[in-house]
Amino acid sequence: GQNIDQPTEMTATEGAIVQINCTYQTSGFNGLFWYQQHAGEAPTFLSYNVLDGLEEKGRFSSFLSRSKGYSYLLLKELQMKDSASYLCAVKDSNYQLIWGAGTKLIIKP
Amino acid sequence: GAVVSQHPSWVICKSGTSVKIECRSLDFQATTMFWYRQFPKQSLMLMATSNEGSKATYEQGVEKDKFLINHASLTLSTLTVTSAHPEDSSFYICSAHKGGESDTQYFGPGTRLTVL
Repeated sequence: GQNIDQPTEMTATEGAIVQINCTYQTSGFNGLFWYQQHAGEAPTFLSYNVLDGLEEKGRFSSFLSRSKGYSYLLLKELQMKDSASYLCAVKDSNYQLIWGAGTKLIIKP
Repeated sequence: GAVVSQHPSWVICKSGTSVKIECRSLDFQATTMFWYRQFPKQSLMLMATSNEGSKATYEQGVEKDKFLINHASLTLSTLTVTSAHPEDSSFYICSAHKGGESDTQYFGPGTRLTVL
């Protein structure tokens, strides 16, 4: 079967750095996405990785290792507004998006 | 840009009535749109994939006669919840597939449906 694993919840301190991991087992791979979802709102696109390595976008970076079926989202200089759920999604061989359950990130002052 | 709108943003209706939700891609054409449902504190659940000019593809367990999807143009898809019941109360979110290297899905703001 197809599976995406992420921690259910993480807590971090304002101004710090946090890494949210995602491991996947899918039938084929055509890219991995990270989305941010604030409570009661729809997801917003953060990043896309299809090749191994690190993609940096401001305070957010996303890393991919296809051989390990692993990705992480790195958030630096955390702000209170970063409190949200972070969803990992993988596009499989049929170009279908397989969604993780999301990681709820709690930022404390 | 890649802006997707949804209307209405929230709706309250009586049990047994039908509700139509519109999803529009405002600044790009979307041959494929997706409809999701999300219950409180749960993950996104894909309901169906909507292709312009053809019938939608429904996920297992989703009743196609209850959740009618029409994708009449490259910028508009509609979801009609027919004979809604309280258990259909949920957050319905559409996304539109923007082509290109990543084929990213961009989400609408969602529609919160409450069935009394």
